[in-house]
Amino acid sequence: QVQLQESGPGLVKPSQTLSLTCTVSGGSISSGSYYWSWIRQPAGKGLEWIGRIYTSGSTNYNPSLKSRVTISVDTSKNQFSLKLSSVTAADTAVYYCARVVVAATLGTAWFDPWGQGTLVTVSS
Amino acid sequence: QSVLTQPPSVSGAPGQRVTISCTGSSSNIGAGYDVHWYQQLPGTAPKLLIYGNSNRPSGVPDRFSGSKSGTSASLAITGLQAEDEADYYCQSYDSSLSALFGTGTKVTVL
Repeated sequence: QVQLQESGPGLVKPSQTLSLTCTVSGGSISSGSYYWSWIRQPAGKGLEWIGRIYTSGSTNYNPSLKSRVTISVDTSKNQFSLKLSSVTAADTAVYYCARVVVAATLGTAWFDPWGQGTLVTVSS
Repeated sequence: QSVLTQPPSVSGAPGQRVTISCTGSSSNIGAGYDVHWYQQLPGTAPKLLIYGNSNRPSGVPDRFSGSKSGTSASLAITGLQAEDEADYYCQSYDSSLSALFGTGTKVTVL
């Protein structure tokens, strides 16, 4: 079965760019009607969708983060990545990657499975 | 700030039935987008609990059920067990197909 694993620096300085990678195992990132997504969760708070990518490279982002987010995919490595620029302490969170399962249309899609998450702290 | 509102907490004794509401608007749930539910046990990643308003993935006990009506949805847990103590989140979409999560509900087993 498909598994996802996040990786990247756990500490990023303010104003710098946060970079994370999600490695997909147990299946090809290019197979099926799947998108791939990033979601984050500040400590003690709720979930926030960051954005998604299709293996064609087509992306959609949360409007509140759109100016700072870039999601890309490397099908040869079975990975997709997140870059978040100009970070502040408010970007400190556990970052999850997840597969987006599309039953019929995007408006019906759900997240499954999820990676275990990786904590990114923004601090000098 | 989420536009899908859930009660911050619900509680019940073992064996009881509890329900969690997820209230949206005509711009999201009421526009016909499906609602999904996730369970997040302490210190772990969220796990899919209900998809497509009322469907359970393989392995999810039938104690969990979901429904949707109008601009809201509900998750019910019958026969509450100690292992059900967790945070629960609903999820849907808005008209721009941005994914939306609910504010989250902490379930406590008394």
